[in-house]
Amino acid sequence: GDSVTQMEGPVTLSEEAFLTINCTYTATGYPSLFWYVQYPGEGLQLLLKATKADDKGSNKGFEATYRKETTSFHLEKGSVQVSDSAVYFCALRPGNFNKFYFGSGTKLNVKP
Amino acid sequence: DAGITQSPRHKVTETGTPVTLRCHQTENHRYMYWYRQDPGHGLRLIHYSYGVKDTDKGEVSDGYSVSRSKTEDFLLTLESATSSQTSVYFCATEGEGNEQFFGPGTRLTVL
Repeated sequence: GDSVTQMEGPVTLSEEAFLTINCTYTATGYPSLFWYVQYPGEGLQLLLKATKADDKGSNKGFEATYRKETTSFHLEKGSVQVSDSAVYFCALRPGNFNKFYFGSGTKLNVKP
Repeated sequence: DAGITQSPRHKVTETGTPVTLRCHQTENHRYMYWYRQDPGHGLRLIHYSYGVKDTDKGEVSDGYSVSRSKTEDFLLTLESATSSQTSVYFCATEGEGNEQFFGPGTRLTVL
């Protein structure tokens, strides 16, 4: 069945460091892929998305590229800030089905 | 934002009592979802709805029921709450671009 696997956290970085959070997926057909961010005490917010192979989603300095050949959608940011500290979720929506599959989340801690 | 509100935001109840959580949206989105979030489990789908009076089960539906009598409201009911249902509950809707929008969550504690 469809599923998402993302790297376990927590990930601890210093401010201005480079961030990568790995996400791989299993799916039939042509899913859409998403990254969500959750700040403490809040709901999930859409960070970026990509709907087909080789698409790059980007927002607020974060990027992720839909790689069909490696079934991956890794999240990257060139220079993290303390305000980026949050939990990040990778998610998949199958092309023909209105359900989402979420990864287990990766907590990011950014230290000044 | 899809204008999703959840009520109550916090609730403490006792084992065996019924509990209803409400989700209200203002965007006229067709699809609505209820999830629970627990440490180590990420988000798990409880039930979802694809229209008024049309609902289906998710992966952790046992002990929960839902109703959708209006497009804007999706209710989640715990018929007889148990301690294993202590969790944070999130409602979501699906927008035109197939992304999901989430409410702020309800923290439920069952003693």
